[in-house]
Parts: sequence; C-alpha cells; structure tokens
Amino acid sequence: QSALTQPASVSGSPGQSITISCTGTSSDVGSYNLVSWYQQHPGKAPKLIIYEVSKRPSGVSNRFSGSKSGNTASLTISGLQAEDEADYYCCSYAGSSTFAYVFGTGTKVTVL
Amino acid sequence: EVQLVESGGGLVQPGGSLRLSCEASKFTFSSYWMSWVRQAPGKGLEWVANIKQDGSEKYYVDSVKGRFTISRDNAKNSLYLQMNSLRAEDTAVYYCARDRRYCSGGSCYPYYFDYWGQGTPVTVSS
Repeated sequence: QSALTQPASVSGSPGQSITISCTGTSSDVGSYNLVSWYQQHPGKAPKLIIYEVSKRPSGVSNRFSGSKSGNTASLTISGLQAEDEADYYCCSYAGSSTFAYVFGTGTKVTVL
Repeated sequence: EVQLVESGGGLVQPGGSLRLSCEASKFTFSSYWMSWVRQAPGKGLEWVANIKQDGSEKYYVDSVKGRFTISRDNAKNSLYLQMNSLRAEDTAVYYCARDRRYCSGGSCYPYYFDYWGQGTPVTVSS
C-alpha cells in the first residue's frame, strides 16, 4: 500500500485559484470514486473537505472542489484566502479487497 | 456535535506496550465503523486500523499487523488500540476517526473519515 503522490508544496496569491494533484494507481484512485480530501492546520486534527471525488460536506466552502481523471484526483481551491494556508491530504480506498485506506503524501499550501 | 476524545498516549520504551482509548459522544457509536489514523512528527497521515460496528471485522496496515489490536466496547462508547512490541517508527500522534462506508452491490468499502479526535501523542524512545 504505497502512499498516493502529491506535490510537496503549492502556493498562490489571495484571490487566485490553485490545484493540488493526487496520483495513485489503477488499483486505487483509478478504480473507485472513493477519494476524499482533508485540510489540516498546524497542531490541529484533519478536517474533511471533499468526499467521493467531488462532494462537499455541509458547511464546507464552495471554493473547494474536486475532480478525477484516470489515476489522478485533484483538489482546486478558488478565490484563495489566508485561512486556506494549511496542509492538504488526499485519501482513497486502497483497493484489491484490502478494505484499507491509503493517504497521499500531503501538500503544504502557502498563501503569498 | 460529534465528539471524539483520545487518551492513553505517552512515552514508552522500544518493545513496550501502550493502550490508547477514544471516548465517543453525541452520536450512536454502535452504528459506525471506527478507525485509528496516525501522524509521525513532521510527516503525513497514515491509516492504522479500523473496526466494524460489532467488532466482527478488523483491518490493519501491514506495518502493525501482529503487534496492534483494535477493539471497541459499544456499551462504553469507546474505541481502543492495544499497541505491543512498539518501535521508534510508531512514534506519532494517534487520532481516532469516525469511518464511513460506501455500500454497493452487497459490498461495503472504505469511504471517508467525517469526524476526528484531537489526537494523543505516542513517543517510543529509550
């Protein structure tokens, strides 16, 4: 169960849009629409922001959106705000009847 | 609002044991899968183990199989992680999380974690 691959860091100016990629394999991300995304501020617990590739839980800003193409899922943050500066992790069903989860390597988002 | 409160973390020597607890409230604990997820210092998230509502199914990441045991007591609304033969690489903050399932065609799959506790730190060092 190898970790999904994310860029180590992404940055943008306030108001801009940024996209974070999450690359897996045909066994996990590519086979199931069971990708979720989590936001984690320093010293805090992770918070669910996207599930099932593109669905937003109640209360999560519509500036967060998700998509998937092949083995790569993506999280887009539009209208970047200072409060969006945090670490972001993707997560997927690991597949192959493991009934396990696999997380991404994590991406540090910096608001310039 | 759903609450998950972990406890039991601390400093332990390599080869030692520790039992983590997670007390749940404000939801029907017995109706949900539950998971433990850990985060080593300065590192990313790693799913560790999960357990079905009635405890009849348990799954583990390969690195802890045979050393860690997940369990639950629905009467006490509590989740546990018994950690034995601890190694330095088990040093992390351990979070409990409510684990949602996606069910289709008679099978249910890992879906997402919708609520997390604040975490309890575990340090394995001599």
